[in-house]
Amino acid sequence: GAGVSQSPRYKVAKRGQDVALRCDPISGHVSLFWYQQALGQGPEFLTYFQNEAQLDKSGLPSDRFFAERPEGSVSTLKIQRTQQEDSAVYLCASSAKIGTEAFFGQGTRLTVV
Amino acid sequence: QQQVKQSPQSLIVQKGGIPIINCAYENTAFDYFPWYQQFPGKGPALLIAIRPDVSEKKEGRFTISFNKSAKQFSLHIMDSQPGDSATYFCAASRRTPLVFGKGTRLSVIA
Repeated sequence: GAGVSQSPRYKVAKRGQDVALRCDPISGHVSLFWYQQALGQGPEFLTYFQNEAQLDKSGLPSDRFFAERPEGSVSTLKIQRTQQEDSAVYLCASSAKIGTEAFFGQGTRLTVV
Repeated sequence: QQQVKQSPQSLIVQKGGIPIINCAYENTAFDYFPWYQQFPGKGPALLIAIRPDVSEKKEGRFTISFNKSAKQFSLHIMDSQPGDSATYFCAASRRTPLVFGKGTRLSVIA
């Protein structure tokens, strides 16, 4: 596709529910990143993939957060037993290789009620 | 420890003015410094980026100035327009995921 695509755009979850957020990177991009953006703040790094390998997950806030990219293309960020503090915009970005231009999707706004 | 410090938090300029947004970084290993523009409800969009081998880069109305010894870089927007009203983020990396500043909310008033 022409850009990074994320779905759904909006997700409302009841506290305790599990959610799955999807990211379709730019075709051919090796590197894929997930960021969390709280209201009025800059994006905060969550995790990074190079192809299917998860090279860095140091930013995941708890073991309720899990990400995968099994075939080196589409990625899913899963949050188990959602809490109110998980409410944020989740951004996905991809780049041809790390340290080069990274392009972001429009994000998924997660609201936990 | 905040690796990239951005200022000011918000900025109001008149149309035609030249807003300047500043960033300072800690890690001298960083070698890639992009600026992103974000409109409400949208993802960040890459505006312009610089590497430390040059001190200035221009693309259209946007200019990055880079001072390696001071570990600072800044974004200048020439002839600013109301359509430039957005939040701007600086970032830095070196073969690592981008580290972002906290953002500057720019308002350009007619």
